[in-house]
Amino acid sequence: EPEVTQTPSHQVTQMGQEVILRCVPISNHLYFYWYRQILGQKVEFLVSFYNNEISEKSEIFDDQFSVERPDGSNFTLKIRSTKLEDSAMYFCASSEIGQGDEQYFGPGTRLTVT
Amino acid sequence: AQTVTQSQPEMSVQEAETVTLSCTYDTSESNYYLFWYKQPPSRQMILVIRQEAYKQQNATENRFSVNFQKAAKSFSLKISDSQLGDTAMYFCAFFSTGNQFYFGTGTSLTVIP
Repeated sequence: EPEVTQTPSHQVTQMGQEVILRCVPISNHLYFYWYRQILGQKVEFLVSFYNNEISEKSEIFDDQFSVERPDGSNFTLKIRSTKLEDSAMYFCASSEIGQGDEQYFGPGTRLTVT
Repeated sequence: AQTVTQSQPEMSVQEAETVTLSCTYDTSESNYYLFWYKQPPSRQMILVIRQEAYKQQNATENRFSVNFQKAAKSFSLKISDSQLGDTAMYFCAFFSTGNQFYFGTGTSLTVIP
């Protein structure tokens, strides 16, 4: 069965550094999402992406964050100048038809900012 | 703003018994979608069941069923004949027409052999 994959599984970075989290959505899916989950807290929506542009973003997704689909398979989340509070689990998800459709989640990348 | 509340941080159930996980939400929208996702330990989230708000009939998926009360904004998940493999974190989620997902804080379910 097709799966969403994410790399790396764990990323450790120093405060102020830039990180890029990578995701490979399911191949025929058109909608892509990023979420984060700070340890012990709820999963929070960051951004949705369709047709090579952001369709929705939350208040969390400020200028520090950016997303890109650099080729036909990868979907990336870039965090510039990381802060301690960016430490979290970051989940990528994809869906076939968008609104209301089942989202398939990746296993997540654990980001630790020191 | 949409909010999703899961008031049971942890629950346990004996194998083969039935358990109900509660979820309430708040929204001013009339058309939306509700989901229950399961996250087994160290594994990714997978969809358990999905409900469209405009459908009055409660969704069912094998041993999993929901009690959707639109007026009360309640969306509980019932797991019948609980199995050890049901041990996981369960998240209730609300999908708005604004193409955003709102998750609850999760309920950690343990099935006891």
